[in-house]
Amino acid sequence: SQQGEEDPQALSIQEGENATMNCSYKTSINNLQWYRQNSGRGLVHLILIRSNEREKHSGRLRVTLDTSKKSSSLLITASRAADTASYFCARKDTGRRALTFGSGTRLQVQP
Amino acid sequence: DGGITQSPKYLFRKEGQNVTLSCEQNLNHDAMYWYRQDPGQGLRLIYYSQIVNDFQKGDIAEGYSVSREKKESFPLTVTSAQKNPTAFYLCAAGGDSSPDEQFFGPGTRLTVL
Repeated sequence: SQQGEEDPQALSIQEGENATMNCSYKTSINNLQWYRQNSGRGLVHLILIRSNEREKHSGRLRVTLDTSKKSSSLLITASRAADTASYFCARKDTGRRALTFGSGTRLQVQP
Repeated sequence: DGGITQSPKYLFRKEGQNVTLSCEQNLNHDAMYWYRQDPGQGLRLIYYSQIVNDFQKGDIAEGYSVSREKKESFPLTVTSAQKNPTAFYLCAAGGDSSPDEQFFGPGTRLTVL
């Protein structure tokens, strides 16, 4: 199966700025999820958006999904140094039981 | 890292050796997964199991084997047939019911000497 494409591969911003990460794919999906990974650690689930949803919010996170363009974005508002991590999109393809992960965006938030 | 434990945290293997990575969960999920992560890359699926005594190959199963004798445990063996085993290995559980998220262990870093 094809891994998704994420961009940018790396992003460096100042504390307080917003960070936007994008995820594109080519398949038909049931849902798309975003995960966070601190260096050398396991992944932590952030948010899930279903294929019939267009936008979801969770705290400082906002996720959008455009199934016609096969793309999703994750917006982190008012970033903090503690948000420094890698962020991965993971899609649940139709008819597939496991998730397919993108290549990730490495976010660096400068204090 | 939730209710998933992986051991050891670091593992060193000599060429030609088989090694087994442990994964245990207390979250009562039927489904468990093994992923491989190479530096700066995303996760690739090695094997997954939807229920005890059943497992399916993922995208990169060659050179790996698994067993699922208990709901709580899903060990991964990296065999000598895996030519490039140095990587970070992550175990996960969940994704078998709504809300469909997976819970990850802290990972095992395997290095071939």
